[in-house]
Amino acid sequence: DGGITQSPKYLFRKEGQNVTLSCEQNLNHDAMYWYRQDPGQGLRLIYYSQIVNDFQKGDIAEGYSVSREKKESFPLTVTSAQKNPTAFYLCASSIGSGDDFTDTQYFGPGTRLTVL
Amino acid sequence: AQKITQTQPGMFVQEKEAVTLDCTYDTSDQSYGLFWYKQPSSGEMIFLIYQGSYDEQNATEGRYSLNFQKARKSANLVISASQLGDSAMYFCAMRELLGDSWGKLQFGAGTQVVVTP
Repeated sequence: DGGITQSPKYLFRKEGQNVTLSCEQNLNHDAMYWYRQDPGQGLRLIYYSQIVNDFQKGDIAEGYSVSREKKESFPLTVTSAQKNPTAFYLCASSIGSGDDFTDTQYFGPGTRLTVL
Repeated sequence: AQKITQTQPGMFVQEKEAVTLDCTYDTSDQSYGLFWYKQPSSGEMIFLIYQGSYDEQNATEGRYSLNFQKARKSANLVISASQLGDSAMYFCAMRELLGDSWGKLQFGAGTQVVVTP
């Protein structure tokens, strides 16, 4: 089955620790995205990548880092510099056609991160 | 400034009835796309429907239709014949043409729908 997987579904970390969230897709999509969702709010873009070995900051990149070494994978690291990391994190991917707004983004199941 | 406004934080609808979810958007671009996503309690965002700014017909996908009123800058989602499984959060989103490339998806705050038997 083609799709996007995120693991783990729930993640607990102590304050001050870095943590890496996994996102893998087998849809052969070029573009991948990371969003953060806080309770009662919409999604905010953290980072996105339109091609391997390239990525751009979104609206709330501070305290986060990413890598895109493989087309299928786009891991997100939440660093200790992120002041309020407890949130729901969603990964998405799309074909990546920059000239077509119907480049629909498809989402993974999300990871709920709680920092204690 | 808020690009996407969803004024209804929550709604109750009876099974088999239709429900309309409001969405207004703010853009000065002529070229843009509008999307609706469903987020059940499991958390995954499910793509439902999209409408292009140049599309003359309202988009439809099964029980979902988009009531697109360009002059009013509104893109309301209509769910016909509601089912219990429609209970979820619904998000409206927009993507604008910025120069010669498409910008990122911008989401509204969402509307919580609860379908009752």
